[in-house]
Formats: sequence, C-alpha cells, structure tokens
Amino acid sequence: DTGVSQNPRHKITKRGQNVTFRCDPISEHNRLYWYRQTLGQGPEFLTYFQNEAQLEKSRLLSDRFSAERPKGSFSTLEIQRTEQGDSAMYLCASSFKQGPRNFQETQYFGPGTRLLVL
Amino acid sequence: DAKTTQPNSMESNEEEPVHLPCNHSTISGTDYIHWYRQLPSQGPEYVIHGLTSNVNNRMASLAIAEDRKSSTLILHRATLRDAAVYYCILRDLTFGTGTRLTIIP
Repeated sequence: DTGVSQNPRHKITKRGQNVTFRCDPISEHNRLYWYRQTLGQGPEFLTYFQNEAQLEKSRLLSDRFSAERPKGSFSTLEIQRTEQGDSAMYLCASSFKQGPRNFQETQYFGPGTRLLVL
Repeated sequence: DAKTTQPNSMESNEEEPVHLPCNHSTISGTDYIHWYRQLPSQGPEYVIHGLTSNVNNRMASLAIAEDRKSSTLILHRATLRDAAVYYCILRDLTFGTGTRLTIIP
C-alpha cells in the first residue's frame, strides 16, 4: 500500500481556465475527503464521499467547484473558470468508516496538489 | 458544531517534553478527539486520537480532561523532526490554524 496519491502535484493555470485534480485513496478505504488549504491556515473541509455517494457538498466553496467518485475508488475535483483566489493547496484524504459514528475514523492524507492561478 | 481552540505557537527545547493544549468546551459526548500534524510542504499526518481515556502510541500521548473540555498532546522527547503545525479536530472536521511547534536545538 502506497498511501493516498494525488496528481498533479503542482498546477499553474491562467484565470478563467478549468482544472481537474485526481486523488487515489488507500485501496480498502470507503471514504474520501477533499480539503483546501491556503497559506497560514489549516485545511478547510470541502466535501466527502462514502463509496461513490457524495454525502456532503454544502461546504464546497462555490458552484464552480465539483467533485466525483464514479466507481467508488479514485476521485476528481474540478474547478471551473478559475480565479486568482482559488490559488491554494488542495488536499485529499481517505478513511475506512466502521460503525455508526460519523467522522470518527482516522484520515490519511495525500501530499496535495498546489494550484497557482495567474 | 463543536470548535477547538489552540495556541498559535509554542517553542520547546530539543529532547524535552512538549505539552500542546487544545480546548474543546462544546464537545459532544460521542466526539473523538483527533490530533494531526503537518510538516512543511506535506499533507497532515495522523498522530493520535481518543474518546475519554488517556491514550499512548509510539508517537505521543493524549491526556483528556475528565470533563472532556480540553486535551493535551504530549511529545515525551521532542526532536527537530517534531517541528510542525499540530491540529486537534473533532467531528466537524474544522482544523483551525493549529499550533506551530518550534524545536530549539
């Protein structure tokens, strides 16, 4: 097991372009999370999936942000019409949910994708 | 949602114990307390978690107050590799700004 991987590690784009990031979770993990982290701040939760179902998306930053996990394995995060304020580190994490309690399991984070919007 | 409060920064000498506090006065009875740390240019990594009892693992110890309104992460002998930002989080997955730990050689 190689842990959570994210691609690309770095992305530079021009304002107005669309970008897509990929996250490959730990193979047996059924939950996958996306976070955004700006300089000097902690990770900010965006959305999460349990298998292929997106169970929380109210904290996505705007309707320009969308995420998918079509087969319950890897996930993609897309930002449409990027703005300079979207420049940040985008982190993915995965976990294995057991039992009824929500968000109580340990998350394993990937190295992140650093986005710079010019 | 329950929130956590941590000091912005702390310093410690190398090879001395470090106690990192976290306040979570509105914690619910079923919330686990998780601690993560983030080294520069890396994603956060899990350190330890607990519910009511004090917990120990190879990285650290977690002391949880009897009323569960606060907890303390204990690094028994800090090394330079422990220099990181430490976060305590609850069920709402709010990381806040964490505590930046500086280790003085």
